[in-house]
Amino acid sequence: DTAVSQTPKYLVTQMGNDKSIKCEQNLGHDTMYWYKQDSKKFLKIMFSYNNKELIINETVPNRFSPKSPDKAHLNLHINSLELGDSAVYFCASSQGTSGRADTQYFGPGTRLTVL
Amino acid sequence: AQSVTQLDSQVPVFEEAPVELRCNYSSSVSVYLFWYVQYPNQGLQLLLKYLSGSTLVKGINGFEAEFNKSQTSFHLRKPSVHISDTAEYFCAVSGSEDSSYKLIFGSGTRLLVRP
Repeated sequence: DTAVSQTPKYLVTQMGNDKSIKCEQNLGHDTMYWYKQDSKKFLKIMFSYNNKELIINETVPNRFSPKSPDKAHLNLHINSLELGDSAVYFCASSQGTSGRADTQYFGPGTRLTVL
Repeated sequence: AQSVTQLDSQVPVFEEAPVELRCNYSSSVSVYLFWYVQYPNQGLQLLLKYLSGSTLVKGINGFEAEFNKSQTSFHLRKPSVHISDTAEYFCAVSGSEDSSYKLIFGSGTRLLVRP
């Protein structure tokens, strides 16, 4: 059983399109995250939700909008895609009970390529 | 503001040799420290973490790390590496005044194990 799953694994699209990436965790965790990994492997937090409430909202363009329909899901919607959005996007989750000591569990990543 | 520095972008080593991957951090508050591993085309997986107590932390796959507060370091070591240890290794710090669950990652070190 996959603990943190993401769909799709690969996403190739044209500039200007709108796309969504879905994330689901079956660990019963309270907190979920979105990270962006650029071409140099640098990982940066984008958003985090705890019990469906937004708790981290880093400086990302407002074309990116997270949505958490329930504790087990955190989706990422991206409007008007740009070339610079090409990256690998990782979803992660953590228990949420130990705060910053929590281990985060990562999904396999979604490689987004904007042409 | 917190930051993590991984000075070595790539570390080549022969199989069965020892290895040390360096990590230094800066923070004005107490921190929790993590090492994550990313195998090719996969998500990140926790190797080990330091929260408190003994400064020598043992993790999975024979890895260990030592927390050194005076040198603000958390170097990762393994006495004898295998080909299968070839991966990207990320050091991360968690700890901020706002108690958010944010992980700040270093830029990663690629461990390349040669036969």
